[in-house]
Parts: sequence; C-alpha cells; structure tokens
Amino acid sequence: GAVVSQHPSWVICKSGTSVKIECRSLDFQATTMFWYRQFPKQSLMLMATSNEGSKATYEQGVEKDKFLINHASLTLSTLTVTSAHPEDSSFYICSAPRLAGASYNEQFFGPGTRLTVL
Amino acid sequence: AQSVTQLDSQVPVFEEAPVELRCNYSSSVSVYLFWYVQYPNQGLQLLLKYLSGSTLVKGINGFEAEFNKSQTSFHLRKPSVHISDTAEYFCAVSVNGGFKTIFGAGTRLFVKA
Repeated sequence: GAVVSQHPSWVICKSGTSVKIECRSLDFQATTMFWYRQFPKQSLMLMATSNEGSKATYEQGVEKDKFLINHASLTLSTLTVTSAHPEDSSFYICSAPRLAGASYNEQFFGPGTRLTVL
Repeated sequence: AQSVTQLDSQVPVFEEAPVELRCNYSSSVSVYLFWYVQYPNQGLQLLLKYLSGSTLVKGINGFEAEFNKSQTSFHLRKPSVHISDTAEYFCAVSVNGGFKTIFGAGTRLFVKA
C-alpha cells in the first residue's frame, strides 16, 4: 500500500525556537495533505489542509502564523511550529489521500511526530 | 456538519472474550465510515471501512463492523480478543469522496489476561 513518512519521528526543543516537521508521500503524488494534532489520550484534531502550490486552509481556532504550512511539491508538505512553547507539545500526524476508486480517496497516515517543548 | 460519537472511552475485557466498540455518527449527506487502530506512539492503521454495498464489513485482525443507517451506527466487533488487541480505536467519518476525515474521541480497549 501507499506509504507516508514523517520526519523527525520525535523532537525536543527549547521554548521560543521553531521546529519543522516534514510529511512525504513516498510512492504517490498528493496535491493535498492534512495535518492533525493529538494530545495525550485524546483524538486527532484536524489542524489544516495543505494544498500544493497554494495557501493552506486552517481549521477554526488554529493560528496560521503559529503553524506555518508549506506544500512545495507533490510529495512534500512541511509544518513549522514557530516560537514553540510547552503548550505546543503534542503528537502531530499528517495524512495524504490517494484515489482508490471512482470517487473515493483513501487516507494514508504518517507515523506521527512527537514534539516536546521544554 | 458531520460528527462522530464513540460512546465508551474505555473498554476493559478479558482475553478471548467478545468485544463491541460503539460508534454513532451524524451527517446530512452520505458518508464513508472507518475504524482505525493506534498503538502507543504510532500512527493510525486502517482496520476496515464502509463505502457502500454490504452493511457488514470485515477488516483485518478478525474485526468486523456493521453499518446501520437507521440507527446511524457503525459498531466494531471481534468475537475473541487477544492481549495484542490492546490499543486505542478510532471511529471516523469522511465526506467529499474521503477527502476530509473527522475522528471520534477514541475508545481505549484494554485486554486483560
């Protein structure tokens, strides 16, 4: 099946620094990718939709200046957490849809990135 | 708008016992329904999905789910669980051809020896 990778798998940073997380579709092209955030023992919350060659679409309540998304190619989307603070510590997961039928796109999820901000 | 409700936050069960994880959804349009499993510090793995057709869907690891349109439910079942089934299970719904996925709060399945 299709594979989506994320890098790094975990990162620890100091408060105030910026962290970049990469999401790659390894064997298919994805004009759209999705970024989710998951707090401990909670569900995945959709943060934003990443669109290749255009601006990302953010969900209500998500700060676009805080979470910068760049989708520069058909296989790569990046999420940059700017000026990270401890409350940004979370598990970040990306997904990429691939057409699996006449009208159905199957989502393939990355393994996630654990961000810890000290 | 679509939403997903998982009725149980935790389900403890003994090994080899049957289990049912409940999921209800709301939507004004046709949806696709999914169950995912997540092991600690890992991403999501698709267990099964309902797109159309037969309302009883069989997935991996011996799991199955039944789509009930009148009750807007999509409960997950397994006749005999193993210790290795201990994980977090998420019910999800998507519209727009599977493009945007909304997740339920999750159910922690804990299988005891």
